[in-house]
Amino acid sequence: EPEVTQTPSHQVTQMGQEVILRCVPISNHLYFYWYRQILGQKVEFLVSFYNNEISEKSEIFDDQFSVERPDGSNFTLKIRSTKLEDSAMYFCASTGLKGYTFGSGTRLTVV
Amino acid sequence: GENVEQHPSTLSVQEGDSAVIKCTYSDSASNYFPWYKQELGKGPQLIIDIRSNVGEKKDQRIAVTLNKTAKHFSLHITETQPEDSAVYFCASPGNTGTASKLTFGTGTRLQVTL
Repeated sequence: EPEVTQTPSHQVTQMGQEVILRCVPISNHLYFYWYRQILGQKVEFLVSFYNNEISEKSEIFDDQFSVERPDGSNFTLKIRSTKLEDSAMYFCASTGLKGYTFGSGTRLTVV
Repeated sequence: GENVEQHPSTLSVQEGDSAVIKCTYSDSASNYFPWYKQELGKGPQLIIDIRSNVGEKKDQRIAVTLNKTAKHFSLHITETQPEDSAVYFCASPGNTGTASKLTFGTGTRLQVTL
């Protein structure tokens, strides 16, 4: 069964630092996404990406965030100048004929 | 945008009993309704989904029913087992189809006790 792979599984960073979360979507999928889940809360949409550009973003996805597909396999989420409230699980996903496949997530802890 | 509400927030059942989780959605144009299971420390895993052209879909012990008139859909788990214990989320893409953003419900923590 193809998987969406995310690294690292856990990232601890100091407030104000930049972090890059990495994802390898399923190879024949065309749409890629980032979602966020604050501890104990529901999963929230951040951004979708198609054909090398953002197709939709939520109000959460402000200028602090950016996404990139630097090569044919990786999909990254960059958070500039992290804040305490950025602490959450970040899930990458991609969609194919069978709908969404989510990765196992990166737990970001901002201290 | 789409609004999805989910009930109950927690559900405790005895092993072998059935569990039912319900969701309502707001966008009448929604046509795809997935259910996800999330185990501790893992990402959401699709367990079953239904499209708006059918009213019910079953996969072994799991079934989903859809009432488009009332704009609600439900997850049914029969003969529950301890490994069914997890958080379950419903979701809907609204009117933009399966390849767009998902709006998730608030989740139901299911506990199956022995």
